[in-house]
Amino acid sequence: AQSVTQLGSHVSVSEGALVLLRCNYSSSVPPYLFWYVQYPNQGLQLLLKYTSAATLVKGINGFEAEFKKSETSFHLTKPSAHMSDAAEYFCAPYRRGKLIFGQGTELSVKP
Amino acid sequence: GAVVSQHPSWVICKSGTSVKIECRSLDFQATTMFWYRQFPKQSLMLMATSNEGSKATYEQGVEKDKFLINHASLTLSTLTVTSAHPEDSSFYICSARDLLGGDTGELFFGEGSRLTVL
Repeated sequence: AQSVTQLGSHVSVSEGALVLLRCNYSSSVPPYLFWYVQYPNQGLQLLLKYTSAATLVKGINGFEAEFKKSETSFHLTKPSAHMSDAAEYFCAPYRRGKLIFGQGTELSVKP
Repeated sequence: GAVVSQHPSWVICKSGTSVKIECRSLDFQATTMFWYRQFPKQSLMLMATSNEGSKATYEQGVEKDKFLINHASLTLSTLTVTSAHPEDSSFYICSARDLLGGDTGELFFGEGSRLTVL
């Protein structure tokens, strides 16, 4: 059963605009939630992780995500998009010793 | 941060041959490593969990005899694609967990290996 859903396989924003990538997990709260970024033909790089210490999590490159239990969401945001942010983004809950990845969202940034 | 290295980064082979991909944790010991497969424009699919000194645990639908996994040391896991066919062409990514600080769920990923079977 799919335990995570990323709404929108592709998101396009203009440079300088707000970035919002959506992630919803299944009803049971995972102990940890992650956002990873993947650049073409590369492995994955950790953006940020939620570990229940704080609902608003700040990551690298200006990204942050807010854990909302009532909405079962962990959306990723960045106030101002940069061209270098163009990549594939994956949301991944950690369950029973495994990371299960969402479908991914491709972010395009227009000049 | 912890570094995971994969080799080779890309490989082309003929149909019917076997290909080995190595995954090394360079600056930490990894009792558990994971192998993922990724098709173009798709997500990562977990293939198997590799445990040092024991047999790998395969996900449902993954052929154990096709994808041989060995985790002989705390810093090395290998994936061998046996009798490769064009449908095995894919991007294979390994990851490892550093348990020194406890299990935080975080995985460190290799750079990936692109396999093309002709």
